[in-house]
Amino acid sequence: NAGVTQTPKFRILKIGQSMTLQCAQDMNHNYMYWYRQDPGMGLKLIYYSVGAGITDKGEVPNGYNVSRSTTEDFPLRLELAAPSQTSVYFCASSYSNSGVTGLDFGPGTRLLVL
Amino acid sequence: QQQVKQSPQSLIVQKGGISIINCAYENTAFDYFPWYQQFPGKGPALLIAIRPDVSEKKEGRFTISFNKSAKQFSLHIMDSQPGDSATYFCAALTGGFKTIFGAGTRLFVKA
Repeated sequence: NAGVTQTPKFRILKIGQSMTLQCAQDMNHNYMYWYRQDPGMGLKLIYYSVGAGITDKGEVPNGYNVSRSTTEDFPLRLELAAPSQTSVYFCASSYSNSGVTGLDFGPGTRLLVL
Repeated sequence: QQQVKQSPQSLIVQKGGISIINCAYENTAFDYFPWYQQFPGKGPALLIAIRPDVSEKKEGRFTISFNKSAKQFSLHIMDSQPGDSATYFCAALTGGFKTIFGAGTRLFVKA
């Protein structure tokens, strides 16, 4: 099992550009999540999905969009990049109760918006 | 507004000592309280978790203490080792899947 994979590892964007952060998991998890991590702020939930075709907003959804067409993939879209979106982005997945089994995190994507 | 408040922000402990990290929450709908450990350049990984109907859970050198009436919980790392140096996050879940994280504590264990 590859677990949770994310691409790219690192990206520099100019203000106003758009991009898609890719996330895939091969563990047949129903639940998938996107978090951003900023220094001293912990991880903030951007969007989550409880299954293919179902997504919902987390704590900080503004400026982002997601889709979930398959169980395996959960891409995150930035439409108009802003310096405030400079962060490390983590994708995660879990079974139904992640309190028991925990979240499986990907390696992260470091994004710099200049 | 931070739903889960974590302290301290950073912590330095001597090898063999006890590391203690504290968290507090307000939302009584939280139904699970995990702790995650993160090494530099990696994603967080589940360390230990507790349900609100249990006051203490121990796994090896790691213990969670939970005080439901005070809405507080803490992580104790006994016999701290340099390999424990990492960032620790407390977290809380609603509905068994939506995880909200604290701000994190950077732990450094001096050899």
